[in-house]
Amino acid sequence: DQQVKQNSPSLSVQEGRISILNCDYTNSMFDYFLWYKKYPAEGPTFLISISSIKDKNEDGRFTVFLNKSAKHLSLHIVPSQPGDSAVYFCAASEGDDKIIFGKGTRLHILP
Amino acid sequence: SAVISQKPSRDICQRGTSLTIQCQVDSQVTMMFWYRQQPGQSLTLIATANQGSEATYESGFVIDKFPISRPNLTFSTLTVSNMSPEDSSIYLCSVEDVGGQGVYEQYFGPGTRLTVT
Repeated sequence: DQQVKQNSPSLSVQEGRISILNCDYTNSMFDYFLWYKKYPAEGPTFLISISSIKDKNEDGRFTVFLNKSAKHLSLHIVPSQPGDSAVYFCAASEGDDKIIFGKGTRLHILP
Repeated sequence: SAVISQKPSRDICQRGTSLTIQCQVDSQVTMMFWYRQQPGQSLTLIATANQGSEATYESGFVIDKFPISRPNLTFSTLTVSNMSPEDSSIYLCSVEDVGGQGVYEQYFGPGTRLTVT
């Protein structure tokens, strides 16, 4: 049973517009959530995170929103740039337990 | 999809000793990665291991401390050498595999929880 789900395998967004990547989870005990970005032939790199005590965290063009009641988080990228084309992984952890990853969403930024 | 197993799943080791973690994949993959997740922190990439070549280490990680083997396309080992309590972490093996329609996908092993006393 997947504890972290990214239901959209791919997403295409026009350059300059907002990209919204969604993630749902089932374990209400998760207390730390992360987004990773991955280019082909490279490992995922950490992008942004949020603790369960917050509902929003911003870092430049990237904002992560957490809705605990819905067990849902999203990553907003605005404005989207060509270099944002990559696979984005949502991940979650409970305490010091290992990170559970979603299957990823491939984001295409269109010129 | 690729299925990854790791051995051991957990271990408690004494300071100064070394532990070798094994990663087995059920299919042949080109790219294998080793990560560390320390308590309360995100994943940190230790090195990229490609079959037939030396592993590529990230800044802050060196081969003497984390020697890696990649003897074939389905197997890799990471050794944590001369361990100290700061090495206590979860170590994850990961692979990149080409899924349906030529899309690259990332898969993670179950992790090895290491505690150094």
